[in-house]
Amino acid sequence: NAGVTQTPKFQVLKTGQSMTLQCAQDMNHNSMYWYRQDPGMGLRLIYYSASEGTTDKGEVPNGYNVSRLNKREFSLRLESAAPSQTSVYFCASRADRPYGYTFGSGTRLTVV
Amino acid sequence: GEDVEQSLFLSVREGDSSVINCTYTDSSSTYLYWYKQEPGAGLQLLTYIFSNMDMKQDQRLTVLLNKKDKHLSLRIADTQTGDSAIYFCAERPTSGTYKYIFGTGTRLKVLA
Repeated sequence: NAGVTQTPKFQVLKTGQSMTLQCAQDMNHNSMYWYRQDPGMGLRLIYYSASEGTTDKGEVPNGYNVSRLNKREFSLRLESAAPSQTSVYFCASRADRPYGYTFGSGTRLTVV
Repeated sequence: GEDVEQSLFLSVREGDSSVINCTYTDSSSTYLYWYKQEPGAGLQLLTYIFSNMDMKQDQRLTVLLNKKDKHLSLRIADTQTGDSAIYFCAERPTSGTYKYIFGTGTRLKVLA
């Protein structure tokens, strides 16, 4: 089925470890996004990529880096994980008009 | 401020109508969206409304838009237990069209 695929689905890290969250979409969308979801705080934008070759900071970029590898793939890297990065991470891509997002199923990350 | 506001909880009986409300921030937002999130899953686009419309109906869903009051609502007719989920409204503001603003979500519980 067409959509947004995220890996892994679950991850436990120790403080200071690094990891990369992978995201791929097969809908030929130009823009892609990384959000984190925390209880009571809704969705917060970490980084986005308006098109292949460009990336920009969102609301909460500190502690993260991203790579838009090609049109399909947009990865999120935690260089030195901290407990404050415990969250559910969602990747999304955006269609042309009406510009709605398609979300992946999420990565549940716990940093201990 | 840039907060999209929603009430946190709503409880209805199966077969009744549900109305979920949202107050958004940018009176010139071009598109407004409703997303549904089931437990353990990503957000799914339910419906959207373009800013030049007052109402949109899509099967059991009715979206009402009051631009003067910056108020958006989602009515679900004949609510079923499968409608139990968290519902998010989101706006596409004219400033920063890649940075959508999401509400914190309304948890709908449908009682059998």
